[in-house]
Amino acid sequence: DVKVTQSSRYLVKRTGEKVFLECVQDMDHENMFWYRQDPGLGLRLIYFSYDVKMKEKGDIPEGYSVSREKKERFSLILESASTNQTSMYLCASSLGEGQPWSEQYFGPGTRLTVT
Amino acid sequence: RKEVEQDPGPFNVPEGATVAFNCTYSNSASQSFFWYRQDCRKEPKLLMSVYSSGNEDGRFTAQLNRASQYISLLIRDSKLSDSATYLCVVNFAGSSASKIIFGSGTRLSIRP
Repeated sequence: DVKVTQSSRYLVKRTGEKVFLECVQDMDHENMFWYRQDPGLGLRLIYFSYDVKMKEKGDIPEGYSVSREKKERFSLILESASTNQTSMYLCASSLGEGQPWSEQYFGPGTRLTVT
Repeated sequence: RKEVEQDPGPFNVPEGATVAFNCTYSNSASQSFFWYRQDCRKEPKLLMSVYSSGNEDGRFTAQLNRASQYISLLIRDSKLSDSATYLCVVNFAGSSASKIIFGSGTRLSIRP
């Protein structure tokens, strides 16, 4: 059974802080994703990685960066948190094989509040 | 106009009823389509892929209408456990994941 875990379920940070969100998957998936989910807007893709040390911008990468040093781990970094980054952050992984749009498995999410 | 649109609902139907909802997409070059289910305060999980010929999985039937650019989900004999938000996902032509678009979801509530 695929398992995607995220480092925190709830997080409260102050404006201007650097924030790290960690995601780990245990199924040797090639692709990993970071989304944010806001009411009425659905899930929006922030960044995507299809291999170690590879990354691609999604629809809303501004204010975020990512790191993928190992295949199983994909980190989302908020360089200087702002209140408009208060959201639910969801990590996902998928098998790969040149098909980033194959079934995605999601982690439980991190609800981040920036005050 | 949003690239993927869903009626947000909520759809409130009695147990045992049949319910259907659609998801429209704007890019005619869209290649693949999915329905995900998301329970309250949980992560989305794949419900079913949507194939050109339509496909059925138990009480669930998914259809694709390329001419009118929408996908549909039909739930027969609805159960209380079907209460959830249903997200449609559309992948546009191209190799970049930035073309993966999630709808904002349709909320379904089944009442006893």
